[in-house]
Amino acid sequence: QQPVQSPQAVILREGEDAVINCSSSKALYSVHWYRQKHGEAPVFLMILLKGGEQKGHEKISASFNEKKQQSSLYLTASQLSYSGTYFCGTEVTSGTYKYIFGTGTRLKVLA
Amino acid sequence: NAGVTQTPKFHILKIGQSMTLQCTQDMNHNYMYWYRQDPGMGLKLIYYSVGAGITDKGEVPNGYNVSRSTTEDFPLRLELAAPSQTSVYFCASKGGGHSGANVLTFGAGSRLTVL
Repeated sequence: QQPVQSPQAVILREGEDAVINCSSSKALYSVHWYRQKHGEAPVFLMILLKGGEQKGHEKISASFNEKKQQSSLYLTASQLSYSGTYFCGTEVTSGTYKYIFGTGTRLKVLA
Repeated sequence: NAGVTQTPKFHILKIGQSMTLQCTQDMNHNYMYWYRQDPGMGLKLIYYSVGAGITDKGEVPNGYNVSRSTTEDFPLRLELAAPSQTSVYFCASKGGGHSGANVLTFGAGSRLTVL
């Protein structure tokens, strides 16, 4: 039931790009992305509400494909500050408010 | 605004003891959640609440209890603590409206060790 993220971990050099995927066995009605720094609470990055929607925030963008029950997070020209663990989050079933997270992807950006 | 406040930040518990982790939010959010995060792992939903007096189980509810007597407070009780409950516990809240349009605001976490 928990969305599966891939890859589990990735190491980048500054300036390189990365893609993090979130796949669900159940229908996705909305997807949220969070980043968690070591020893801190997760922090909201962006929200995707409609199928096929793509949103961006500076050099971080995301897409949401309802049909494939997938969302992807794109990090371009990565910076040291992008290091952390990324989680996708979603409601188990629309309207239940039972909110769960994907398995997580650890991202490390090296100088 | 303080947002979501959790206490205590750190606690060491002996096997078999019980304790309550406190969570308070001042944003008038209806929806509140408790997650646990084991070292190097993801966030697992323990319990959640959609309003005062209404709670429901998450993915890993065994060994825990919750109550929601007010909108602001959502305490998590550990009964008969076991080493497997050693974890970081996060409380979060979410506003109402279109369910998908509201995101979680997290507390800073409570790090619990059971010895």
